[in-house]
Amino acid sequence: KQEVTQIPAALSVPEGENLVLNCSFTDSAIYNLQWFRQDPGKGLTSLLLIQSSQREQTSGRLNASLDKSSGRSTLYIAASQPGDSATYLCAVASGTSYGKLTFGQGTILTVHP
Amino acid sequence: GAVVSQHPSWVICKSGTSVKIECRSLDFQATTMFWYRQFPKQSLMLMATSNEGSKATYEQGVEKDKFLINHASLTLSTLTVTSAHPEDSSFYICSAQGRDPGYEQYFGPGTRLTVT
Repeated sequence: KQEVTQIPAALSVPEGENLVLNCSFTDSAIYNLQWFRQDPGKGLTSLLLIQSSQREQTSGRLNASLDKSSGRSTLYIAASQPGDSATYLCAVASGTSYGKLTFGQGTILTVHP
Repeated sequence: GAVVSQHPSWVICKSGTSVKIECRSLDFQATTMFWYRQFPKQSLMLMATSNEGSKATYEQGVEKDKFLINHASLTLSTLTVTSAHPEDSSFYICSAQGRDPGYEQYFGPGTRLTVT
């Protein structure tokens, strides 16, 4: 059974800092790994999708890496802004042929001015 | 990009009534749709997976007679919460997956269900 863990559970940083969110998973036989952002009371916004054959993906100030063999992914946010405040969720697709998503518990990020 | 809609965005119902939530893929054909539930301050938990034209596959602990899922077409799946009770109050989110080899799931905006 796939299990996904995110560390830290919460993070509070001043504006401008670079930060790293961590995600680990127990079963390395994955199709892909996704990072999402969720604002309070809202749905999910997909940030980055890394296929199992890839090592990293970048979008703007975001960079996500994947080390499938060790079961780890990191999301790097450069020059954080108050607008980045949200819950960040990591999810891995594994198991059945269509790729069932298993989510981590999320990291609550607060960027204060 | 792929867009998934949900309707309604929020609903309040009385205990014992049934509520139907729709999930639509607007600009692509979804061969597989997923239904998730999210309780406050918790992560998403997969409830069931539905493939167009076949019966849904439910996760362990999810009552299939209580949460009826229909995936009648390649663009529409519905979740009906039957005989709703206050403990069913939650945020329900659907996702849709096309035929692309990346298996990416596209998420709807969610439906807030409150049962009084």
